[in-house]
Amino acid sequence: KNEVEQSPQNLTAQEGEFITINCSYSVGISALHWLQQHPGGGIVSLFMLSSGKKKHGRLIATINIQEKHSSLHITASHPRDSAVYICAASASGTYKYIFGTGTRLKVLA
Amino acid sequence: DAMVIQNPRYQVTQFGKPVTLSCSQTLNHNVMYWYQQKSSQAPKLLFHYYDKDFNNEADTPDNFQSRRPNTSFCFLDIRSPGLGDAAMYLCAIQRTSGADTQYFGPGTRLTVL
Repeated sequence: KNEVEQSPQNLTAQEGEFITINCSYSVGISALHWLQQHPGGGIVSLFMLSSGKKKHGRLIATINIQEKHSSLHITASHPRDSAVYICAASASGTYKYIFGTGTRLKVLA
Repeated sequence: DAMVIQNPRYQVTQFGKPVTLSCSQTLNHNVMYWYQQKSSQAPKLLFHYYDKDFNNEADTPDNFQSRRPNTSFCFLDIRSPGLGDAAMYLCAIQRTSGADTQYFGPGTRLTVL
């Protein structure tokens, strides 16, 4: 069992839909990161969370430390949101990332 | 402006012919990482530098070497590329140890013929 699990693995949505991607982890963490990777592209950091909730534009990330669970929400989804979304944990005592397997999102016009 | 620059963006090499990928940064961050990413997979950490201290992952093949001549630059050398080494190679930087964000470069896509 991976230390960082994501669901769903693949997601197809219609433009305008509200999207939720989930991440669960089994290790103690100092932070949880949400990353975005467009096809053939580099990785962009979206959020770093250690508690609560963060919002940037149409993206919202939440974390529940007690339940070891984080979610990434996209409101009013758009085809340009089509990408792979990866959650990554900074485990306590280390600065390396433990990556989830990623969620491949496709938003149809 | 780009914080992490990788050159070249695309590299084609022949089986067994050594290749060097380069990464530079504009932020003077302490930590530099090299990752290998194959299609539809999460990035796999090869090694990282904390300042000049080199840290190899246990399962990184000996075929992969790295150099960090100064704070700004880091190189990935593949001594004898095999077909299985074809992948995207990502460089990332991080300000300090701890939970700081890693900033990734655009990657170098390596093709091995």
